[in-house]
Amino acid sequence: DVKVTQSSRYLVKRTGEKVFLECVQDMDHENMFWYRQDPGLGLRLIYFSYDVKMKEKGDIPEGYSVSREKKERFSLILESASTNQTSMYLCASSFTGQSTDTQYFGPGTRLTVL
Amino acid sequence: KNQVEQSPQSLIILEGKNCTLQCNYTVSPFSNLRWYKQDTGRGPVSLTIMTFSENTKSNGRYTATLDADTKQSSLHITASQLSDSASYICVAFSWGKFQFGAGTQVVVTP
Repeated sequence: DVKVTQSSRYLVKRTGEKVFLECVQDMDHENMFWYRQDPGLGLRLIYFSYDVKMKEKGDIPEGYSVSREKKERFSLILESASTNQTSMYLCASSFTGQSTDTQYFGPGTRLTVL
Repeated sequence: KNQVEQSPQSLIILEGKNCTLQCNYTVSPFSNLRWYKQDTGRGPVSLTIMTFSENTKSNGRYTATLDADTKQSSLHITASQLSDSASYICVAFSWGKFQFGAGTQVVVTP
């Protein structure tokens, strides 16, 4: 079974803090993704990575950065957290970049920025 | 405007009954469409995926249909169970991007 784990289920941070969200997959997948999920909106892609040290901006990259130093690990960084970044953050991975590939999601991190 | 619209936003059904969820998309060109199930507090899990040439696909009690001409898809749940309570998300793939619907929240009551 593919397993995608995220470092925290719940996180509370203060405005201006630097926040790290970690994601690890155990199936040697090439592609990894970070999404945010807000009520009434579909999942929105923040960044994705198709290889170690490679990254591509998604639809809403502003205020975020990412790091992929190892194949199994993809980190999302909020350089200076703001209240509008309060959201559910979902990490996903897929074996290749083919559109028919299944994306496997982690359980999510609910981030609250006060 | 979201290019993937789902209806209804939410619905309540009695255990054992059937229900159908709708998804309309406007993405073009269209490559494939998938349905996910997301339990509360968990990440989405893939139920089905259909390419533009497929009309129907089943996964147990879940049956998805696709009409690429009218750009509509539906997800039918047969003989609902309490464990079917979840959000169901429709996703269309186009131009290298996944476009997610906002989801339909389904509550199955005893």
